[in-house]
Amino acid sequence: QVQLVQSGAEVKKPGASVKVSCKASGYTFTSYFMHWVRQAPGQGLDWMGIINPNAGSATYAQKFQGRVTVTRDTSTSTVYMELSSLRSEDTAVYYCARDYHGAGSYLGYWGQGTLVTVSS
Amino acid sequence: EIVLTQSPATLSLSPGERATLSCRASQSVSSFLAWYQQKPGQAPRLLIYDASNRATGIPARFSGSGSGTDFTLTISSLEPEDFAVYYCQQRRNWPPLTFGGGTKVEIK
Repeated sequence: QVQLVQSGAEVKKPGASVKVSCKASGYTFTSYFMHWVRQAPGQGLDWMGIINPNAGSATYAQKFQGRVTVTRDTSTSTVYMELSSLRSEDTAVYYCARDYHGAGSYLGYWGQGTLVTVSS
Repeated sequence: EIVLTQSPATLSLSPGERATLSCRASQSVSSFLAWYQQKPGQAPRLLIYDASNRATGIPARFSGSGSGTDFTLTISSLEPEDFAVYYCQQRRNWPPLTFGGGTKVEIK
């Protein structure tokens, strides 16, 4: 069965960076794109970007361009999301989610989420 | 960027009742629309994709309809576990993939 296991909660100071990991299992890692979505407390879902694990290429939402980097390690079937220049508004739960069909469609399988708190 | 507007913001219903949720797109998304369910403290779950197809393991009481700019998620008879927040999402024009603001289905 498809499983996505994310790294644990983080507390960061404004201006710092955070790197969240998402380890995939139960399917062929390179066959399905992986998304990152965040959810601020009490708010809706905000799509951040997507990576093609086969090619290693990533596409980001414009609002995060320049601050977010998504990478992958095919040897461990793990995807990483790094967000830099953190501010208080970045406090949110960050989810990885595997594409349902393969490439840029719907988010069919989700990780458990990683809470990132930005506070001085 | 395609904006998705969901209504109502909150729906107060009793178990056994029918729920009808709406999602309107700022421009046509053809049939490239999905619905998700999210319960407190949990990740979202894909219910419906391509406007009307149930995802794997989703009960038949959930159905989706619509195309173009107007979409509906219907829960034919609410079960206790269906009280949650529901989001729509489009993939017609991306990046970015966009979500609606959500509809909370609460117990009346």
